[in-house]
Order: sequence, then structure tokens, then C-alpha cells
Amino acid sequence: RKEVEQDPGPFNVPEGATVAFNCTYSNSASQSFFWYRQDCRKEPKLLMSVYSSGNEDGRFTAQLNRASQYISLLIRDSKLSDSATYLCVVKPQAGTALIFGKGTTLSVSS
Amino acid sequence: EPEVTQTPSHQVTQMGQEVILRCVPISNHLYFYWYRQILGQKVEFLVSFYNNEISEKSEIFDDQFSVERPDGSNFTLKIRSTKLEDSAMYFCAITGTVNEKLFFGSGTQLSVL
Repeated sequence: RKEVEQDPGPFNVPEGATVAFNCTYSNSASQSFFWYRQDCRKEPKLLMSVYSSGNEDGRFTAQLNRASQYISLLIRDSKLSDSATYLCVVKPQAGTALIFGKGTTLSVSS
Repeated sequence: EPEVTQTPSHQVTQMGQEVILRCVPISNHLYFYWYRQILGQKVEFLVSFYNNEISEKSEIFDDQFSVERPDGSNFTLKIRSTKLEDSAMYFCAITGTVNEKLFFGSGTQLSVL
């Protein structure tokens, strides 16, 4: 079983739409969770951390379900500039390196 | 947000040649990482470096690879004898503590011919 799995997409949505991405992870002992954003041929950039209680940053909402080993990212009121690949990232345990999913591609059109 | 500079931005080399990729964090950080991303693939962990020692490495990081921090500022990744399959974008990343978020440099695109 892959360590971090994501639906690769692409998700093609119009401006203003709400879109949700999902991610599952295999290691139940995983400790930290993140969403990163990656533009074409650029470095990954941290979008937000994901907490058990769920957290929101503007139009972005992240949720974690430890029982189901499932992470989600919700983007409301999509903008053209949201077009990118969204990477689900998991830290398996303390002191270990981050493990990346392959990413979900989002394309927002006008 | 911490800044990390990587040089060169592009490197073209012949198979079998040695390459050295460099990373310079702007501010003081304790933990350094190298990741790579083959075109169209996921970001893959290579090695982490703490207190001038390798703290973790992946199965990708074989004897062909080495890392060092020669002068206390630069952090380098050396590939001794490059193979075609080493062609990828190589990212350096830093963090202040082991559980903190990673910040990436802009990467070095390595092309092995």
C-alpha cells in the first residue's frame, strides 16, 4: 500500500467553484500533516498544516480524520491563481522525513 | 518565511560525471534535507542532515550520493558518477526543528545526457 495516496485529477472547475481534495495515508502512527502547493516546475510551498480539530485559512479549510487515516482540503470561491498541484504531505513519526503524495492537479478557468 | 538559495538552477552533465549541487540557507537552521522530483513523479526524500551528520536517508541515497556542510553555511549534495535516471529536480529544504514545516529552495534541474 502506498504511503500517501491522492487522486491525481485533474480537477477542472470554473472560477468561484468549491472544490475538495482527499488524501489517505498508510501509517496510523503518523504525527504531522500538511498541504503544500506546487506550481509547474517550481518548488513545493507550504499551504497549511492540518490539525485534528480542523483548521481554516481564508478560503482554505483542512480536515484530518485519524480513525480513517484521511486528510482533506476544501477550497472555496476558487480563483484562477489557485491553479496548481496540491500535495498531501505526512510526517510518519518524530524525527523522520516528510512523505509526499503525488499531488492533485487543479485547473481553474474563467 | 525562511529563504534558501540553490545553485546552479540548471545543470547539464554527461553520464558518469560528478556533480555538486549547492544550497545556502539565508538564516541559521539546524535541519537540512535533500529531496528530488523526477518529471511527472512525486517529491521523494533523499537525506536529512543534522548537527553535521546524516540523520536519515532513503534507499535512493546509495553510495553514489554524499552530503556535507563544508564551511558551516553551504550544504552540498554530490553525485559521484551520474546516471541517466539521476535526471530530476533536486530540492534543498530547511527547518528549525525536527517537527517544523519544511521550506524549500527553488531547486536545481539536473539533466544527465
